[in-house]
Amino acid sequence: QQQVKQSPQSLIVQKGGIPIINCAYENTAFDYFPWYQQFPGKGPALLIAIRPDVSEKKEGRFTISFNKSAKQFSLHIMDSQPGDSATYFCAAKEGGANNLFFGTGTRLTVIP
Amino acid sequence: NAGVTQTPKFRILKIGQSMTLQCAQDMNHNYMYWYRQDPGMGLKLIYYSVGAGITDKGEVPNGYNVSRSTTEDFPLRLELAAPSQTSVYFCASRDSGDDGYTFGSGTRLTVV
Repeated sequence: QQQVKQSPQSLIVQKGGIPIINCAYENTAFDYFPWYQQFPGKGPALLIAIRPDVSEKKEGRFTISFNKSAKQFSLHIMDSQPGDSATYFCAAKEGGANNLFFGTGTRLTVIP
Repeated sequence: NAGVTQTPKFRILKIGQSMTLQCAQDMNHNYMYWYRQDPGMGLKLIYYSVGAGITDKGEVPNGYNVSRSTTEDFPLRLELAAPSQTSVYFCASRDSGDDGYTFGSGTRLTVV
């Protein structure tokens, strides 16, 4: 059973576009929601994370939007660049727990 | 500062063979994790450790064993390799006061 559902599976945008990746969860005990970026042949790297007490968090060109009532969160990449082409994973974890549940990933391609 | 180092990067095993995937971190992190990544499935937790001498099962522990004799090292043992264990394996670590994981670059294992 997939604890965190992620969509779309793949996404192609033009340079400068704003790709949006969505994730949904059911477990209301989740209180930590990170996004990881993975380049081919590399391990995932933490990009940005949010907790349920805020509805939005920005770090550079990356923004997380969080909707607690809908149990959904999304990643927006402003002014996307070819160097942003990677696979993005959302994840979620309960406070104090050790299992970080990952979504199935979104392969993003930014066309020059 | 090497971070999380995994060896080997690639390995081909025959069914029934055994091997140990090595993981070492130099950040003095207490928490360490082993994940497997399969196409379209995201990452699944195999085992984790909250400190030297303490390990526990994750979502998919069957067919694997771990040990944690030092803070730095967290090897993953496959005793009787099966084709279902063909995957990319990632080791990760985190500090006690931080939810962000640092991942290694992975070991791609093929069982034939």
